[in-house]
Amino acid sequence: EAGVAQSPRYKIIEKRQSVAFWCNPISGHATLYWYQQILGQGPKLLIQFQNNGVVDDSQLPKDRFSAERLKGVDSTLKIQPAKLEDSAVYLCASSLVGGGAPNTGELFFGEGSRLTVL
Amino acid sequence: DQQVKQNSPSLSVQEGRISILNCDYTNSMFDYFLWYKKYPAEGPTFLISISSIKDKNEDGRFTVFLNKSAKHLSLHIVPSQPGDSAVYFCAARTYKYIFGTGTRLKVLA
Repeated sequence: EAGVAQSPRYKIIEKRQSVAFWCNPISGHATLYWYQQILGQGPKLLIQFQNNGVVDDSQLPKDRFSAERLKGVDSTLKIQPAKLEDSAVYLCASSLVGGGAPNTGELFFGEGSRLTVL
Repeated sequence: DQQVKQNSPSLSVQEGRISILNCDYTNSMFDYFLWYKKYPAEGPTFLISISSIKDKNEDGRFTVFLNKSAKHLSLHIVPSQPGDSAVYFCAARTYKYIFGTGTRLKVLA
């Protein structure tokens, strides 16, 4: 079974530029999550989708961040314009249902997209 | 408001000995607790989890203990191996998942 796919793996941009990250979840997983992990911190939820609807985007800086999940499969996270403090790893995760895998609660993570803003 | 805390940023253990990683939480509504392991340049990988209705779960070398009265959980790795060297995150679930800041484990050969 293929895992969560993310691209690009690395991106370097200057502040005020824009960037987009793409995520393809595990086939059949209805729930998709975007997390931001700043160096030395734990992953912080930015947005959670259930199919193509938003479940939680309370910590998404909506003035500069946007995300969509068209057709309930792939998702794109965009930052425009980027700030220095957006330098982080952006992790995509998926699960079959909203509470993670049955019996374990596991979320399945991709390898992440590392963003450096100069 | 940090609902899940890992107070030890790092831990060094000799190969073959026990590693104990700790995690404290504040929200009594968490119903599942998970441990993830993360190597550099890779995404977090799931290790083990425990439901709030249990106090222990074991999987091979990994055991998680939950003390609800103290709002504390711990991950025991026995015996520790050099390949266990990584950052370990605990996470807790209500309707969403909250992660701790991680503990870097170094297993010395």
